[in-house]
Amino acid sequence: AQSVSQHNHHVILSEAASLELGCNYSYGGTVNLFWYVQYPGQHLQLLLKYFSGDPLVKGIKGFEAEFIKSKFSFNLRKPSVQWSDTAEYFCDVNAGNAGNMLTFGGGTRLMVKP
Amino acid sequence: NAGVTQTPKFQVLKTGQSMTLQCAQDMNHEYMSWYRQDPGMGLRLIHYSVGAGITDQGEVPNGYNVSRSTTEDFPLRLLSAAPSQTSVYFCASSRKGDTEAFFGQGTRLTVV
Repeated sequence: AQSVSQHNHHVILSEAASLELGCNYSYGGTVNLFWYVQYPGQHLQLLLKYFSGDPLVKGIKGFEAEFIKSKFSFNLRKPSVQWSDTAEYFCDVNAGNAGNMLTFGGGTRLMVKP
Repeated sequence: NAGVTQTPKFQVLKTGQSMTLQCAQDMNHEYMSWYRQDPGMGLRLIHYSVGAGITDQGEVPNGYNVSRSTTEDFPLRLLSAAPSQTSVYFCASSRKGDTEAFFGQGTRLTVV
């Protein structure tokens, strides 16, 4: 079964700092990759997704992620974070042979200090 | 445009009680699933369904039952609540072949 690892459980940044959250997965075949965000008290929302094509994916609110197949990674980046980016971020993988089944990473809780 | 609706939002149960968490979606999605969210463990799949009348177990199914009598509804039943089931529960749905999931608002369950 595939697994997803997020390396940072808690990240604290000041506003305008750059952000990179790591995500690695274990499945060797075709994958669909997602980042979801959960703002305090809210449900999960899709931030961005990769199915195929350009491995650099741009999402909402200035976020982007790069799929590096050789490293089994899909790291999330943002050049300059804002206080409103305080949230929990989940990396999520769907293996090509798993139907609609999703495997989530453990989540990274980001706090941005104003 | 309701999307995925979960009820209740909060619930406190005593050990041994049973209850049903409701989930309904109005997007005609074939695939529905239940997750529990625990600190540092992300979302873990409890049960899922690929269509009406079809359900299967996920990663952590023990202590939970599901049924899918209609495309719209996917209730999760706790048979005899235990403190280990204290968690936040999310229902999600997606179209068959499209793995982007839509989530409900979540149910925060406390078992005392």
